[in-house]
Amino acid sequence: DTAVSQTPKYLVTQMGNDKSIKCEQNLGHDTMYWYKQDSKKFLKIMFSYNNKELIINETVPNRFSPKSPDKAHLNLHINSLELGDSAVYFCASSQGVGTGANVLTFGAGSRLTVL
Amino acid sequence: SQKIEQNSEALNIQEGKTATLTCNYTNYSPAYLQWYRQDPGRGPVFLLLIRENEKEKRKERLKVTFDTTLKQSLFHITASQPADSATYLCALGHTGGGNKLTFGTGTQLKVEL
Repeated sequence: DTAVSQTPKYLVTQMGNDKSIKCEQNLGHDTMYWYKQDSKKFLKIMFSYNNKELIINETVPNRFSPKSPDKAHLNLHINSLELGDSAVYFCASSQGVGTGANVLTFGAGSRLTVL
Repeated sequence: SQKIEQNSEALNIQEGKTATLTCNYTNYSPAYLQWYRQDPGRGPVFLLLIRENEKEKRKERLKVTFDTTLKQSLFHITASQPADSATYLCALGHTGGGNKLTFGTGTQLKVEL
């Protein structure tokens, strides 16, 4: 039973399109995240939600919009896709920000390729 | 600006030896440091956590040290096995501000027979 699952695993699309990646966790965690891993394997945080409330919003283009309908789900919508958006996007969750030591459980990643 | 550096070159070692990976940081005062393992095509998996007031942590064949004076963490895998081959990421965090974790670039470890 997958703890953090994200769909789709692969996404190939044309520049200018809009796409979404969905994430769900069944761990009962309060906090969820989106990370981006570029071609050099550098993992950088984009957003974090705690109990549906946005708590971390890194310098990310406005074309990226996260949405958390409930604390078990965090989706990422990307408008007007650009070549530079090609990367692997990881969803993660943690117990909560009050625990003092965020241990993250990651999903398997969604590889986005923009042509 | 904050910087986290790990050996950029791959580390190749022989089976049975101890692998030592380094994580150095600057312009940062983390409350804790974590190590993750990442296999190709998969998400990182948590291995060990060490807090700023701890010098060393162990878990089976793994050992982590944390020197806040040197601003360095060492990650050791003893009696290494080919199955230990993966990329290892260190991540630094501080309490407050959403407990944001900042990751290093990772070191690729290859354990050869």
